[in-house]
Amino acid sequence: QITLKESGPTLVKPTQTLTLTCTFSGFSLTTSGVGVGWIRQPPGKALEWLILIYWDDDKRYSPSLKSRLTITKDTSKNQVVLTMTNMDPVDTATYYCAHLKGGLAVAGEYYFDYWGQGTLVTVSS
Amino acid sequence: EIVLTQSPGTLSLSPGERATLSCRASQSVSNSWLAWYQQKPGQAPRLLIYGASSRATGIPDRFSGSGSGTDFTLTISRLEPEDFAVYYCQQYGSLVFTFGGGTKVEIK
Repeated sequence: QITLKESGPTLVKPTQTLTLTCTFSGFSLTTSGVGVGWIRQPPGKALEWLILIYWDDDKRYSPSLKSRLTITKDTSKNQVVLTMTNMDPVDTATYYCAHLKGGLAVAGEYYFDYWGQGTLVTVSS
Repeated sequence: EIVLTQSPGTLSLSPGERATLSCRASQSVSNSWLAWYQQKPGQAPRLLIYGASSRATGIPDRFSGSGSGTDFTLTISRLEPEDFAVYYCQQYGSLVFTFGGGTKVEIK
């Protein structure tokens, strides 16, 4: 059974750096054809994909946020860490991590089949 | 970057009716790299359809996906009370993932 859970601060100040951790179980991020991504959702708004890391440490970034985002993985701890710099009130959102099936250019893949419960991050002074 | 446009923004229907949701891409989506998700208030999204037309594990057969290229459709054949929610499409292309703006299916 695959599970993921996000953890980190619920409140950050403008200009600060946000660090969120995704702790997962039920799969290994050393297995080819899988990845872990981060997706956010401002209150009442749509989903927005941010960043993704593959089993082979390859990474993909949202073009609009690339300069602010970093992603790393610790396969021994089954964790993926997201950092986002220079936080602004518009970054207030629920942040989700999710398991991706994809990365081998197989037709029909590249979907997020398991999601964490999400964590609400508020940016305010 | 491929932009996904979902329509309508809101669909008002009664239980038992058929729902047809549209997802249009600004460029052709390759290799059926198109998925659909359902999201209920306060919950994480749930995968419904992947590969444009394959149902995810445990998804009832009243949900079906179709389409290719730039036009995709999610159909709910007969709405059950638990199907009233927001639905999102998602694609992968040119090394980037994008989501549509969502369609809310509400009770009429």
